Amino acid sequence: NAGVTQTPKFRILKIGQSMTLQCTQDMNHNYMYWYRQDPGMGLKLIYYSVGAGITDKGEVPNGYNVSRSTTEDFPLRLELAAPSQTSVYFCASSYHRAGANVLTFGAGSRLTVL
Amino acid sequence: EDKVVQSPLSLVVHEGDTVTLNCSYEVTNFRSLLWYKQEKKAPTFLFMLTSSGIEKKSGRLSSILDKKELFSILNITATQTGDSAIYLCAGETSGSRLTFGEGTQLTVNP
Repeated sequence: NAGVTQTPKFRILKIGQSMTLQCTQDMNHNYMYWYRQDPGMGLKLIYYSVGAGITDKGEVPNGYNVSRSTTEDFPLRLELAAPSQTSVYFCASSYHRAGANVLTFGAGSRLTVL
Repeated sequence: EDKVVQSPLSLVVHEGDTVTLNCSYEVTNFRSLLWYKQEKKAPTFLFMLTSSGIEKKSGRLSSILDKKELFSILNITATQTGDSAIYLCAGETSGSRLTFGEGTQLTVNP
């Protein structure tokens, strides 16, 4: 029962570097999400996808890009990393039904930008 | 703009105490309200509420929704140290986006 798998678990980047956070799910969920969580804060939605080939911006999309070429995978790309992107990133997925949208989260990826 | 506000932000109690966590929401085209528990890692699902006045219960945890007053509460009775966690509340909007509150950090001391 893999569920939602994120890699890497930890990463340190220098300012200006780029990287991709990987997320894959094996539950055949149609919806996938990327959230970030800053210390002492709740989760902020970065991007989400309602199915393969469809993505949309959340609350805090600036500095990030996503793609959804398959149902299983939803990578998050950071271009030109900045210290403000230091955070814990959570990928989540759900089998969408309106009013019954329970998200399953991955274990998180802790990113530090120095 | 959708908004979810939780209170208190932090709470310290002793084992055996009963706690009530609050969540108020202003969410466009509200669909449901969800509670999650977050320990060291990923949030784990506790409850989903869609109807007013119907209590959801799981062991010592229970939750209820008031759609008229736009709030929900999460009750934990006879708290244990294992209940120490961040409790997150989220409102589901149309398009199945979840807006999360800041969370309540609960610490249960022996």
